[in-house]
Amino acid sequence: QKEVEQNSGPLSVPEGAIASLNCTYSDRGSQSFFWYRQYSGKSPELIMFIYSNGDKEDGRFTAQLNKASQYVSLLIRDSQPSDSATYLCAVKRSAGGTSYGKLTFGQGTILTVHP
Amino acid sequence: KAGVTQTPRYLIKTRGQQVTLSCSPISGHRSVSWYQQTPGQGLQFLFEYFSETQRNKGNFPGRFSGRQFSNSRSEMNVSTLELGDSALYLCASSLFGQGTNSPLHFGNGTRLTVT
Repeated sequence: QKEVEQNSGPLSVPEGAIASLNCTYSDRGSQSFFWYRQYSGKSPELIMFIYSNGDKEDGRFTAQLNKASQYVSLLIRDSQPSDSATYLCAVKRSAGGTSYGKLTFGQGTILTVHP
Repeated sequence: KAGVTQTPRYLIKTRGQQVTLSCSPISGHRSVSWYQQTPGQGLQFLFEYFSETQRNKGNFPGRFSGRQFSNSRSEMNVSTLELGDSALYLCASSLFGQGTNSPLHFGNGTRLTVT
């Protein structure tokens, strides 16, 4: 089982729709959760981070975390063609253990927003 | 504030050679992490340096090494290059070490091609 798994995609949504990106993780000791966006040929760019169960909203983006289910998601409202990119879920463990502090990434989900 | 700067942007090397990549973190950031990104494996953690000390290391062979200087700048070295080392190498800095919740901020990467 991979440490961080994302829905493989690609995900295609029409402009103006809600895009839903999902991520599950295997390490129950994980404490911090991040979403990065990576445009083709560019480096990952931080969109949001979430540490507590529940929802966190930032503009058109909402991150949702459920530690009991080991699940984190990213919702993009009013999707725009400029949102077309690969979205990377990343998870970090708390102190302790061999994976202390290491940020582990999922494989990414390719999102395409078509006009 | 300037972002993370990586040099060079592109490198072409021959099998058996060695290569050194450089990274300057965001001013004030003390932690530098290195990742390898390939289409098949995604983003794989190489190592993290904080205050000139290696704090964490991924599952890469000893041919991959790094160091950090007193000004937080970091270098990564790969010796005896193999074809499989062809990848995008990303450097990321954070204000505090990866053992905290500090988000990582990525540079533009160095694209290494081994022929």
